[in-house]
Amino acid sequence: QKEVEQNSGPLSVPEGAIASLNCTYSDRGSQSFFWYRQYSGKSPELIMSIYSNGDKEDGRFTAQLNKASQYVSLLIRDSQPSDSATYLCAVSGGDMRFGAGTRLTVKP
Amino acid sequence: DVKVTQSSRYLVKRTGEKVFLECVQDMDHENMFWYRQDPGLGLRLIYFSYDVKMKEKGDIPEGYSVSREKKERFSLILESASTNQTSMYLCASSFIDYSNQPQHFGDGTRLSIL
Repeated sequence: QKEVEQNSGPLSVPEGAIASLNCTYSDRGSQSFFWYRQYSGKSPELIMSIYSNGDKEDGRFTAQLNKASQYVSLLIRDSQPSDSATYLCAVSGGDMRFGAGTRLTVKP
Repeated sequence: DVKVTQSSRYLVKRTGEKVFLECVQDMDHENMFWYRQDPGLGLRLIYFSYDVKMKEKGDIPEGYSVSREKKERFSLILESASTNQTSMYLCASSFIDYSNQPQHFGDGTRLSIL
C-alpha cells in the first residue's frame, strides 16, 4: 500500500513566523509532488507542484523535495491569518495519493 | 483557469434513495475522479475514469457506480443511499498523464443521508 504521511496537527504559529509542513511517502517510484490548501468547508486548491530534488519558491511558499529521504515539505514565510487552513500533500507515480492533511492555525 | 463544476453544494436524501452527483469540467481533461472526504480519513478515491465510457474502481467503490457518457461529464451514483454515505464528495479532473499533472477539484457536494 502506497502511503503518504503527514502530521495532522494542529500546527499553530504566530503571524509573521515561518510555518513548516512536512510529508513523507512510501513509494520510491513517485515522480510528482503537490501541495493543496483546503479551507474549512471548501475543496482543495493546488498551491505548489515540485518534480525534482531541491527547493521551489513561489511568493511566500517554498516546496522542498528530497527523494532519497522520501520527504517533501512546504514552508510558508511571513505567515498570515489567511493561511490558516488544512494543507494536503499529494504524491504521484502512476496514481495519486493524498495525505490526510496538516491543520495550520496562524494566530494574529 | 480550470473549472470543475459540481451540480450541488448541499444535498439531503433519504435512506434507500438513488442519488446522482454530477460533475462537469471545461478543460478537456481525459481523467476524472470521484473522492469522498471524511474527518480523520482524508481523501478516499471511489472511482476514476480515463476516457469516455471507461471506469476504474478506486479504494472504496462499494455502494457506488459511475457513468461517463461524455468527456466533460462524470456522474457518481449511489444505488441505494445509506447513512454511512453521508460525506463530502469531491470531483477532480486532470490531463491523461496524471502521474505528472495535478488534479483540479470542484467545490464539493456535502451529502446528508437521513
